[in-house]
Amino acid sequence: GNSVTQMEGPVTLSEEAFLTINCTYTATGYPSLFWYVQYPGEGLQLLLKATKADDKGSNKGFEATYRKETTSFHLEKGSVQVSDSAVYFCALTGPRAGNNRKLIWGLGTSLAVNP
Amino acid sequence: GAVVSQHPSRVICKSGTSVKIECRSLDFQATTMFWYRQFPKQSLMLMATSNEGSKATYEQGVEKDKFLINHASLTLSTLTVTSAHPEDSSFYICSASGGLASDEQFFGPGTRLTVL
Repeated sequence: GNSVTQMEGPVTLSEEAFLTINCTYTATGYPSLFWYVQYPGEGLQLLLKATKADDKGSNKGFEATYRKETTSFHLEKGSVQVSDSAVYFCALTGPRAGNNRKLIWGLGTSLAVNP
Repeated sequence: GAVVSQHPSRVICKSGTSVKIECRSLDFQATTMFWYRQFPKQSLMLMATSNEGSKATYEQGVEKDKFLINHASLTLSTLTVTSAHPEDSSFYICSASGGLASDEQFFGPGTRLTVL
């Protein structure tokens, strides 16, 4: 079945550092790929997504490219800010559950950015 | 983006009582709602999937008689934790998807349940 492997945290960076959070997946077919973010005390929000190979999702300075050849969807940001401190989840679409698909989740990576 | 609300945001109850959590999609029709449990070390566990007007589908290991899910309308799903015990204390999160082609899930802010 589909699965997601996400790099373990916590990740601690200084402000303006470069960020990479690795995510690799196994899947049958052509899943959509997502990064969700959970800020402290808040619910999960979609950060970005890609629906087919070679698509690049981007939002708030974050980017991730759907790489089918390496089955990866690594999250990157060139210069992190303190406000980026959060937990980041990689996910992909899994089996259909009625009208929509389940999401298969990574375990989450906690990011702390220090001033 | 689409907005999903959850109520209550926090609840504290005594062992043996039942607690109902509501999940509402405020500005779209949610054909599917998902209920998750989030454990202290961040991982999300899908508990069940509910499609409007039909019975919920539970993940393996989730007791359907303990976690009752109702999805009576396209904007409301409820999760009732029956005869709650301290081990049920957790963060419960709902999400909603709408439309036949939508794979994106919109999340509620979560409900922190503490069972004494």
